[in-house]
Amino acid sequence: DTAVSQTPKYLVTQMGNDKSIKCEQNLGHDTMYWYKQDSKKFLKIMFSYNNKELIINETVPNRFSPKSPDKAHLNLHINSLELGDSAVYFCASSQDRQPGLRANEQFFGPGTRLTVL
Amino acid sequence: GQQLNQSPQSMFIQEGEDVSMNCTSSSIFNTWLWYKQDPGEGPVLLIALYKAGELTSNGRLTAQFGITRKDSFLNISASIPSDVGIYFCAGPYTGGFKTIFGAGTRLFVKA
Repeated sequence: DTAVSQTPKYLVTQMGNDKSIKCEQNLGHDTMYWYKQDSKKFLKIMFSYNNKELIINETVPNRFSPKSPDKAHLNLHINSLELGDSAVYFCASSQDRQPGLRANEQFFGPGTRLTVL
Repeated sequence: GQQLNQSPQSMFIQEGEDVSMNCTSSSIFNTWLWYKQDPGEGPVLLIALYKAGELTSNGRLTAQFGITRKDSFLNISASIPSDVGIYFCAGPYTGGFKTIFGAGTRLFVKA
C-alpha cells in the first residue's frame, strides 16, 4: 500500500509547455504539501493545503498553481515551463497542519523528476 | 530568518564505523526532526524530538535535542552500506505552518 503517491515519476518536456503533477495520499491526513528540491538537494516548501484550504503559499512564480479537489489529493499545475523549473518535486502529507506536533510529522511521496529542455 | 545549519556537508566512511552529524541554529526550536533520503526516493522521518534534553534511539540511530534548544545531533553506530543517503534535520518555522529543512549531510559508506 503506497501512502503518498505521485504521478508521473519522470517528466521531460520542452520550455513553454504546460504540465501537471498529481499527488494522492491514503493516510486520511488533513494537510498536504508541495516541496521543490533543487540540484543541490535543498528542500523548499512551495504550497500547503489543509482540508482543501491554502495555508502556505511561498514566493513561487504564479505560473505554479496548486489545486486540491479533496483532502486526499493535491495537484500541481505549471504553465509556461522554464529551464529553471527543472527539479524534483515532492508531495507530502501530515495529519495536522501545526508544526511541532507529532500529528505534523510529514510523509513524503517518491518525487517527480521534472526536466525542462 | 530562521535557518538550520548542518555539518558536516558530506562524510565518507568505512562500513562498521560510527557516524555523528549535527544541526545548529541561532534561533530556538521546540521540535527537531531527522529525515533520511535514499537515492531516488522521498525523505523518510527517522526520529522526532519534542523536549529539550531528550535522547531518542531508533535501532542503530540515536538523536538528542540540545539543552539550549539551538542544536541537535544524530549518531549512527556500526554503519552499513544501506545507511548511504542524505540526512536532513528539520524544525517548525515560528509563526507559520511550515517546516524548514537544513541543507543535509550526505553520507557515503564504503563496504
